[in-house]
Amino acid sequence: DVKVTQSSRYLVKRTGEKVFLECVQDMDHENMFWYRQDPGLGLRLIYFSYDVKMKEKGDIPEGYSVSREKKERFSLILESASTNQTSMYLCASTLGLNQPQHFGDGTRLSIL
Amino acid sequence: QKEVEQDPGPLSVPEGAIVSLNCTYSNSAFQYFMWYRQYSRKGPELLMYTYSSGNKEDGRFTAQVDKSSKYISLFIRDSQPSDSATYLCAMSGAGGTSYGKLTFGQGTILTVHP
Repeated sequence: DVKVTQSSRYLVKRTGEKVFLECVQDMDHENMFWYRQDPGLGLRLIYFSYDVKMKEKGDIPEGYSVSREKKERFSLILESASTNQTSMYLCASTLGLNQPQHFGDGTRLSIL
Repeated sequence: QKEVEQDPGPLSVPEGAIVSLNCTYSNSAFQYFMWYRQYSRKGPELLMYTYSSGNKEDGRFTAQVDKSSKYISLFIRDSQPSDSATYLCAMSGAGGTSYGKLTFGQGTILTVHP
């Protein structure tokens, strides 16, 4: 079974802090994704990566950046956290771009 | 208007009922259609994956895609309390800007009571 592991389940940070969310997958998948999930809005794509050191903006990239130095690891960075970035963050991976995505259990991030 | 519309519910049914969950979409480029189930405090897990129009059955679950109407459905037969979760539809295209990028519905909260 594919396993996507997000390093923290719950995280509380202060406005202005630089925040790192980490995601690791164990199936040698080429493609990795970061989403945020908010009530009434569903999942929205922040960034994705189709190869090491490659990244593409999703639908809501503002205020975020990503890093993919190794194939199995994809990091989401909040450069200067703001309260409107309080959300559930979900990481996913897939072998082929139109194959189903496999999700981690999410990081619930609160920015105070 | 959102590209994918899903009735958020909540939907509450008795055990054993047939449940129908639906999504409509506007982007005719969508070719791949998925249903995910998400339990509380967990990530989404894949239930059904279909390509283009047609039906697919897996145990108590049936997915239907009608591309001419831009409408997809998930049916759950003999629903169980363990089916209580949020159900998300998702879709992507075979090329262009929607290639490989899932667009999700808002999710429908389902409760099956004993």
